Amino acid sequence: GESVGLHLPTLSVQEGDNSIINCAYSNSASDYFIWYKQESGKGPQFIIDIRSNMDKRQGQRVTVLLNKTVKHLSLQIAATQPGDSAVYFCAENTGNQFYFGTGTSLTVIP
Amino acid sequence: KAGVTQTPRYLIKTRGQQVTLSCSPISGHRSVSWYQQTPGQGLQFLFEYFSETQRNKGNFPGRFSGRQFSNSRSEMNVSTLELGDSALYLCASSPRVPQTEAFFGQGTRLTVV
Repeated sequence: GESVGLHLPTLSVQEGDNSIINCAYSNSASDYFIWYKQESGKGPQFIIDIRSNMDKRQGQRVTVLLNKTVKHLSLQIAATQPGDSAVYFCAENTGNQFYFGTGTSLTVIP
Repeated sequence: KAGVTQTPRYLIKTRGQQVTLSCSPISGHRSVSWYQQTPGQGLQFLFEYFSETQRNKGNFPGRFSGRQFSNSRSEMNVSTLELGDSALYLCASSPRVPQTEAFFGQGTRLTVV
């Protein structure tokens, strides 16, 4: 949802396990969503997107689920690897601009 | 295809000075947006340009301005720098508007002393 920027949730997972990162968005008019990954010192990297006319979209090792009823977005990462350690952001777009969530810090434990 | 290129990567300026940051979008992308990222506020939208026109503007003071050139390259300018302007400034390009598939550059780390 829109960025409040006050607290960064954290998630720690064992290497090889699946990760689920959640995001609540705020605007029911949002019709396009993106998940980004940001590693330290780098810009956000596009992972996967989904439009509001879809409930699920799969990429390579990643799946995004969209529940419009409760305005919830999730990112599932299969067989999490150490290289997946980063901050993950969701972004929503109403057609005018993107609003970013505060992000979740994912740590993969070898 | 080359990604989004931002220059410079790092910048140190003194309070009161002005600064210009540059962004070259992915070839063929005509929409460029600028964001400020700080630990306290996260990613905040500054403005978006498309076909040399400002399409949207975020809630930032007039000291923050931008422009886009005919080749889609964009610059943002911050005048009368304040300590609170220290941040990572990110540029994202998108092939169309409304924006989809927005891809970010590495950012410019601005430090105001």
